[in-house]
Amino acid sequence: RKEVEQDPGPFNVPEGATVAFNCTYSNSASQSFFWYRQDCRKEPKLLMSVYSSGNEDGRFTAQLNRASQYISLLIRDSKLSDSATYLCVVNKGGSYIPTFGRGTSLIVHP
Amino acid sequence: GAVVSQHPSWVICKSGTSVKIECRSLDFQATTMFWYRQFPKQSLMLMATSNEGSKATYEQGVEKDKFLINHASLTLSTLTVTSAHPEDSSFYICSAVVDRGYNQPQHFGDGTRLSIL
Repeated sequence: RKEVEQDPGPFNVPEGATVAFNCTYSNSASQSFFWYRQDCRKEPKLLMSVYSSGNEDGRFTAQLNRASQYISLLIRDSKLSDSATYLCVVNKGGSYIPTFGRGTSLIVHP
Repeated sequence: GAVVSQHPSWVICKSGTSVKIECRSLDFQATTMFWYRQFPKQSLMLMATSNEGSKATYEQGVEKDKFLINHASLTLSTLTVTSAHPEDSSFYICSAVVDRGYNQPQHFGDGTRLSIL
């Protein structure tokens, strides 16, 4: 089993749709979780950290389920500009060392 | 805050050339920086963890003599691709973490697109 797994997609949704991505991780000692977005031929940019209680930033909501070892990202009211690859990142416990998922591709169409 | 600058952004060189890429944390100190490589339509691959004042830690399968990493100060890490060949052509990205605990996210440089002819 890979350390961090994501459905590669692509998720093809119309503008205004709500879309959710999941990411599972195998190391139960993992403590830090993040979602990044990466546009084509660009570097990853931090979208949001994921906190145990769940957190929201505008149209984006992130949640952590430690028991089942997954994190999720919900995007409401999708915009064309949300089209990108969304990367799940998990830091090993007590470490800065990150493990990246392969990314989930989102395509928002008019 | 937490800006990471990477230079150069684009390099085209002849085979056999050595190429140096710089990664700087502009407004914070970074004891730890990371170097990644990404091939087209593939995920980021961690190459090595760069530690200020000590040797880098390389991931399995990454040749340390091929990819020289130097982290001489708290704001600068360099990656040198020695005697580059066409198969080394890739997108190289660095990242840095603000030294405030393990729950800090990484901040990425803009990346360097390396093309070896």
